[in-house]
This record gives sequence, structure tokens and C-alpha cells, in this order.
Amino acid sequence: QKEVEQNSGPLSVPEGAIASLNCTYSDRVSQSFFWYRQYSGKSPELIMSIYSNGDKEDGRFTAQLNKASQYVSLLIRDSQPSDSATYLCAVIPSDYKLSFGAGTTVTVRA
Amino acid sequence: EAGVTQFPSHSVIEKGQTVTLRCDPISGHDNLYWYRRVMGKEIKFLLHFVKESKQDESGMPNNRFLAERTGGTYSTLKVQPAELEDSGVYFCASSQDPTSGYTDTQYFGPGTRLTVL
Repeated sequence: QKEVEQNSGPLSVPEGAIASLNCTYSDRVSQSFFWYRQYSGKSPELIMSIYSNGDKEDGRFTAQLNKASQYVSLLIRDSQPSDSATYLCAVIPSDYKLSFGAGTTVTVRA
Repeated sequence: EAGVTQFPSHSVIEKGQTVTLRCDPISGHDNLYWYRRVMGKEIKFLLHFVKESKQDESGMPNNRFLAERTGGTYSTLKVQPAELEDSGVYFCASSQDPTSGYTDTQYFGPGTRLTVL
């Protein structure tokens, strides 16, 4: 079983729609959860971090965490063409090192 | 503030050769990490420095890989001799505070794309 699994994608949404990205993790003691955005050929860029159950909103992005279900999601509201990228879910299970999912490629159609 | 920088951006070498990758973390960041993404796979942890000390090198694939961080500033990752399966993108990341634990944000460099022929 992979440590972090994401919905495989690719995900195509029209401009202005909501993009929904899902991620599950295997280590129940995981403490920290992150969403990184990576444009092609660029470095992963942190867009959201979440540590407690519930929702966390930052602009058009909302991260949701449910530790009981070992599930974390990212919603992108009012999707823009500039949101087209690969989104990486990452988890810190019990120390400092990040465990990444394979990523979900999102394409926002103008 | 300059971000994490890596050099070279691309490297193409033949099997059996040696390659050295360099990472310059954000100034003042004590934590430095190396990760690798091979084709079609997830980004995987290789090792973690706190200042000049190796904190965790559990992800290093084998003894052909050697990482150093002299003086606690930049780091190098040497692959000697390189094999075909070493091809991939090598990312470096840094974070500021080793005591902040799970909430310490890791900032990534653009990566070095290594191709071993």
C-alpha cells in the first residue's frame, strides 16, 4: 500500500468551476498535511498546509482534513487557467520527511 | 529573498560516470533535504541534514550516493558510478527551524534532471 494516494486524474474543469482533489494516507499517526502546486519544469510550491481536522481556507483554496478517515482534500474555487498544474499531496507521518502522492494534473479550460 | 537554487538544471551522463549535484538552501535555513522523482513515480525522500549533520539518510538508495553539507551551507549529492536507474529529477528543499517539527515548511528548488544513458 502506498503511503499517500491521490485521485489519478488528469482532471479537466471549465474556467470558473470548482476543482476537487482528493488524497488518502496510510499512516494513522501522521501530523502534517500539505498541498504543493507544481508547474511543468518548476519547483513544487506550497499552497496549503493543514494540521487539524476541519477546513482551512486561503483565498480560492480550501483544504479539508479528516484524520479519522485518513483523508485530505483540496478545493479550488473559481478555477482559473493559471491554476493548471500538477497538485501534490504530501504528508509528514512522524518525523520531518515528506511523503508525496503521485500528483494530480489539473487543466482549467478557458 | 533568494529561494532554493540547484545546479545544474540538467545533466546527461553515461553509465559509470560520476555526477555531482549542488543545492544552495535559503539563507539561514538549517534543514536541508534531498528528494528524488524517478519517471512515473512519486517524489521520494533521500536524506535530511540539520546544519552539517546528517539527521536521516534512510532514503538513500545505496552506497553509490554520497551527500555532504560542509559548513552547514550548500550541499552536494554525488552519484558514483551512475546507473541507468538513477535517472530522474533530484529536488533539494530547505526549511528554517529544526525545532518547529511538523509545522516547518519545506521550500523546494527547481530540481536537477539527471539522465543516465
